[in-house]
Amino acid sequence: DAGVTQSPTHLIKTRGQQVTLRCSPKSGHDTVSWYQQALGQGPQFIFQYYEEEERQRGNFPDRFSGHQFPNYSSELNVNALLLGDSALYLCASSSGTGGYGYTFGSGTRLTVV
Amino acid sequence: ILNVEQSPQSLHVQEGDSTNFTCSFPSSNFYALHWYRWETAKSPEALFVMTLNGDEKKKGRISATLNTKEGYSYLYIKGSQPEDSATYLCALDNAGNMLTFGGGTRLMVKP
Repeated sequence: DAGVTQSPTHLIKTRGQQVTLRCSPKSGHDTVSWYQQALGQGPQFIFQYYEEEERQRGNFPDRFSGHQFPNYSSELNVNALLLGDSALYLCASSSGTGGYGYTFGSGTRLTVV
Repeated sequence: ILNVEQSPQSLHVQEGDSTNFTCSFPSSNFYALHWYRWETAKSPEALFVMTLNGDEKKKGRISATLNTKEGYSYLYIKGSQPEDSATYLCALDNAGNMLTFGGGTRLMVKP
């Protein structure tokens, strides 16, 4: 049973460009959350998608947007990239019907140059 | 903004030593406290989810306790092994559809 799958694993972009990161949730999970982990810090919540809508959002600018598809997979889009957006982006899936479990992917390492 | 703190930031121990680290969090609006073990280049692995004051959980040589009234949790590792080397993260779940993470404790176990 596959866990959470993220793609790509690594990515290098130039300032001002746009990037799309992808996440497939664990089988049976319908909710996807995105986190950003900057160097030396714990992961920070970006937003959560459930039933194809953004259900909760953290303290991130509108340059960060997302989407959830009918098969529960999700995309994170970042526009007008800044050097400070360089980080590890983690996706976590869970069940929207309750319970405490979050399953994480291994992340996408984004480097902005 | 919730503030979750972990200490120490990093820890070096010898194989066979027992060790522990702390996660502190605001005690209001508590729903659950999560512990994760995160090895480099891998996914964070869920260790425990703790919900009740006084909870104690154990998984092999790793155990955790929870005090929701004073806002802290301890993670203990008995007889550390090199394979225990990882970053240990705690995260507060206040039922707001998000986890608030501490900065992590990086454990290095020397053979």
